Amino acid sequence: DIQMTQSPSSLSASVGDSVTITCRASQRINTYLSWYQHKPGKAPKLLIYAASNLQSGVPSRFSGSGSGTDFTLTISNLQPEDFATYFCQQGYTTSPDFGQGTRLEIK
Amino acid sequence: QVTLRESGPALVRPTQTLTLTCTFSGFSFTTNEFCVAWIRQPPGKALEWLARIDWDDDKYYTTSLKNRLTISKGASSDQVDLTVADMDPLDTATYYCARIRIAVAGGYYYHYMDVWGKGTTVTVSS
Repeated sequence: DIQMTQSPSSLSASVGDSVTITCRASQRINTYLSWYQHKPGKAPKLLIYAASNLQSGVPSRFSGSGSGTDFTLTISNLQPEDFATYFCQQGYTTSPDFGQGTRLEIK
Repeated sequence: QVTLRESGPALVRPTQTLTLTCTFSGFSFTTNEFCVAWIRQPPGKALEWLARIDWDDDKYYTTSLKNRLTISKGASSDQVDLTVADMDPLDTATYYCARIRIAVAGGYYYHYMDVWGKGTTVTVSS
């Protein structure tokens, strides 16, 4: 299995801020990294696939970058609906290992 | 519109076998473009991938639970089932199914989960 380590595990920010979440893989995974948003009681939502590709319908304030082992998700101009948990997932091997999640809270 | 919905019992007793069904619509499970996966999230913990089934019936399981898991196509062509044998309180979790999209880049296949169900919560308790 590939270990996916996200940081921070939680952070607080205000509406209008920009935040960055990082995800590190225990081995190189090319650009095969996805980011998801998860709100309680809702289905997780795909935001970014292949490290930097924005899923259709996702606002452009979400962006992703990285390759190899280090990846980032940046959310610019935070909106009230962005406060949720975010997690990464590697799509390099058959088993899609997940990061432990980053909880984004309103300051 | 692609949708997936999980169904199954909310409460199971320890040692029982859990059977969950994922009913999907809006896509065809007949090409190598899509697979279906099961994932779970215990309370306060990270997501854990459990199993995947491909259009051609190839199956993959997480190593730690492989002996207890069975994924299969359901009775209907729009269903995928997951059974978990010998349930334990530690298996208490929200169980999700998701569509996996298989993509190709530079001759290499990779995947991501582009649509998820809302999940079904399963509690294991006597």
